[in-house]
Amino acid sequence: EVQLVESGGGLVQPGGSLRLSCAASGFIFSNFWMSWVRQAPGKGLEWVANTEQDGSEKYYVDSVKGRFTVSRDNAKKSLYLQMNTLRAEDTAVYYCARARVAGTNGAFDIWGQGTMVIVSS
Amino acid sequence: DIQMTQSPSTLSASVGDRVTITCRASQSINSWLAWYQQKPGRAPKLLIYKASSLESGVPSRFSGSGSGTEFTLTISSLQPDDFATYYCHQYNTYSGTFGQGTKVEIK
Repeated sequence: EVQLVESGGGLVQPGGSLRLSCAASGFIFSNFWMSWVRQAPGKGLEWVANTEQDGSEKYYVDSVKGRFTVSRDNAKKSLYLQMNTLRAEDTAVYYCARARVAGTNGAFDIWGQGTMVIVSS
Repeated sequence: DIQMTQSPSTLSASVGDRVTITCRASQSINSWLAWYQQKPGRAPKLLIYKASSLESGVPSRFSGSGSGTEFTLTISSLQPDDFATYYCHQYNTYSGTFGQGTKVEIK
């Protein structure tokens, strides 16, 4: 079964750090662009970051540039999001998602269940 | 950055109604647009990709059209399972942008 499972969410104080993980199974992870998408409570979806197949190209939404780092370990079939200098406005459910077509950015056909990040003192 | 504007924000409709949601891009995105359905507490589900291609397993009452900057999602006959929030998503660039969402409510 094709699956993505996120972990690592939790409660963190403003200015703190957290590392999210996304474990992939059921497909050739190293062939696909992967993304992080977040959703603040009661709000819409926001694309956060992505990385192409070998992790050499990475892109970010302006609001997280310089604070978040996306990475991947293809041997472990895992995607990561290192989040530093967290702010209250980073509070959200964070989803990892797979681009539909191998080798290119695209529509997201596989999503994880999400992991909640709460930034609060 | 490319901005996506969806309308309406909320839509009240009845079972059997034809429903249309519009998404406008701030610049041309060719046909690099997707539509998703999301229900409370669940991850989004891909419905349409490349503006008009139906994802496998999605009912044929869902259809998409448009190119450039204007796109529509149509549900030909609204079913009880279709009451949800819908998002458009552009992936023309290496990054991406979502519309703000359209909540389809029971009239």
